[in-house]
Amino acid sequence: NAGVTQTPKFQVLKTGQSMTLQCAQDMNHEYMSWYRQDPGMGLRLIHYSVGAGITDQGEVPNGYNVSRSTTEDFPLRLLSAAPSQTSVYFCASRKRDTQYFGPGTRLTVL
Amino acid sequence: LAKTTQPISMDSYEGQEVNITCSHNNIATNDYITWYQQFPSQGPRFIIQGYKTKVTNEVASLFIPADRKSSTLSLPRVSLSDTAVYYCLVGDNTGGFKTIFGAGTRLFVKA
Repeated sequence: NAGVTQTPKFQVLKTGQSMTLQCAQDMNHEYMSWYRQDPGMGLRLIHYSVGAGITDQGEVPNGYNVSRSTTEDFPLRLLSAAPSQTSVYFCASRKRDTQYFGPGTRLTVL
Repeated sequence: LAKTTQPISMDSYEGQEVNITCSHNNIATNDYITWYQQFPSQGPRFIIQGYKTKVTNEVASLFIPADRKSSTLSLPRVSLSDTAVYYCLVGDNTGGFKTIFGAGTRLFVKA
């Protein structure tokens, strides 16, 4: 099993550009989520999904969209990137109360 | 969701036992206690989970008193590679998906 995979590993955007961060898991977990982590801080929940077709907002959802068309994939879209969105983004899937995290995407918005 | 409180940072030396305590005064009956470890530039990694008393695995032990209002992660004989941030989370094992990560405890192990 590959677990949770994320692409790309690094990305630089200009203000106003859009992009999609990809996340996939092969563990058949229903629950998936996206977090952002700013330097020296804990993780903050952006959006989460409890199954295909079902998504909901987390703690910091503004500026981000998600969709969940399959169990395996949970992409995160930045509609119009802003410097405040410079961060490391982690995707996770969950079985019961244990979360499995991807390696992260380091995003810089200039 | 039960809020957790942990020390911001701790220092230790190689070979010592390290105990990190987490307070969770508002823990609910159905909540489990889970600890994660995070190295720089990596996602958090599950260490151990428990409900009450003591749980031990190959990496750590978790001590939970009868009132469950706190828990202690014990790392035996730490090495330099245990330098990381440790997060304590409290959540319902059957749902309550909005898991909240606090700032964690930054453990620095010295030679």
